[in-house]
Amino acid sequence: EAGVTQFPSHSVIEKGQTVTLRCDPISGHDNLYWYRRVMGKEIKFLLHFVKESKQDESGMPNNRFLAERTGGTYSTLKVQPAELEDSGVYFCASSQVPNTEAFFGQGTRLTVV
Amino acid sequence: QKEVEQDPGPLSVPEGAIVSLNCTYSNSAFQYFMWYRQYSRKGPELLMYTYSSGNKEDGRFTAQVDKSSKYISLFIRDSQPSDSATYLCAMVGNTPLVFGKGTRLSVIA
Repeated sequence: EAGVTQFPSHSVIEKGQTVTLRCDPISGHDNLYWYRRVMGKEIKFLLHFVKESKQDESGMPNNRFLAERTGGTYSTLKVQPAELEDSGVYFCASSQVPNTEAFFGQGTRLTVV
Repeated sequence: QKEVEQDPGPLSVPEGAIVSLNCTYSNSAFQYFMWYRQYSRKGPELLMYTYSSGNKEDGRFTAQVDKSSKYISLFIRDSQPSDSATYLCAMVGNTPLVFGKGTRLSVIA
């Protein structure tokens, strides 16, 4: 069984540019989450999809971040325009049951210069 | 006060040692407790998952939860160099997963 897959693994962009991160969850997992770890800090929750609906987006930092999960399969997280403080590792996770036993992808390391 | 406190280490032990990793928490609503292992440049890998006070064992790993003290532990027996990684505790109740900062462990051969 394939795990959670994230693309790209690493992205370096200039401040003001747009970046789109993609996550493919484990097949059959209705719950999909985005998390972020900035340097020296804990992994922090961004948002939670149940199928294609946003269940909880309380962790999204501001309106420069837009997450979508069309069709309830893969998800994208767009940052537009990117700022320096957006640098960090963005993790996607999925689970069968909400907020339990979440399986993580390898992460996308975003560097904004 | 942070919801989850975890000593970031680093912790260095000789091969074969028993390792004890700990987290404390303040939110009484937390019901499920997880330990993740993260190797460098990889995503967190779920190691142990428990929802009740007491011990849960899986091979060389034992997870312990004490809800009355708001304290969880992960014990690693007969530690191996391949156990060298960052160990993260994570908890969930009426909120999404809340992580500790992670403890970096090195097992020296």
